[in-house]
Amino acid sequence: DGGITQSPKYLFRKEGQNVTLSCEQNLNHDAMYWYRQDPGQGLRLIYYSQIVNDFQKGDIAEGYSVSREKKESFPLTVTSAQKNPTAFYLCASSPGQGAPGDTQYFGPGTRLTVL
Amino acid sequence: GEDVEQSLFLSVREGDSSVINCTYTDSSSTYLYWYKQEPGAGLQLLTYIFSNMDMKQDQRLTVLLNKKDKHLSLRIADTQTGDSAIYFCAESTQGYQKVTFGTGTKLQVIP
Repeated sequence: DGGITQSPKYLFRKEGQNVTLSCEQNLNHDAMYWYRQDPGQGLRLIYYSQIVNDFQKGDIAEGYSVSREKKESFPLTVTSAQKNPTAFYLCASSPGQGAPGDTQYFGPGTRLTVL
Repeated sequence: GEDVEQSLFLSVREGDSSVINCTYTDSSSTYLYWYKQEPGAGLQLLTYIFSNMDMKQDQRLTVLLNKKDKHLSLRIADTQTGDSAIYFCAESTQGYQKVTFGTGTKLQVIP
């Protein structure tokens, strides 16, 4: 089955700790994205990557870091510098390369809670 | 910057039609999307429409686009309890992969 997987589904972290969220896709998509979702708000873009070894900041990149060493994987690290990290994090991928519609497909999400 | 607005909540009775509305500001929007999010899950693409289309129908779903007013709607015919979810409107501009999402409309279907 092709798709996007995110792990873990639930994650708890103590204040001051860094934590890494996993995102893997086997859709052979070039582009990958990380969003943050807070209650009653839309999705806000954290980082995106259009190709391996390249990524760009989104609207709320402060306190986050990413890497894109493999086409299939786009892990997100929430650092201790992120002031309010408790949220639902969604990873997405799209064919990229200007494909018509370039529709984004989403993983099931990771809920991060800072204790 | 781009902005996409939706009402926050809609309640309908099972079997009735639901209409979820969305307005956007970017006149260069090329693709407009509707996504569905069930509780605790990721977003599922329902449909998308290219900006040179006025309407797109897919089984119980009908999308209407008024480009002049920058207004998009999603009609769900014969709404079922399984349609209860949050529905997100989104837009993007060709050649630029950033998608702007609305705040989502929570649809409650009353049995």
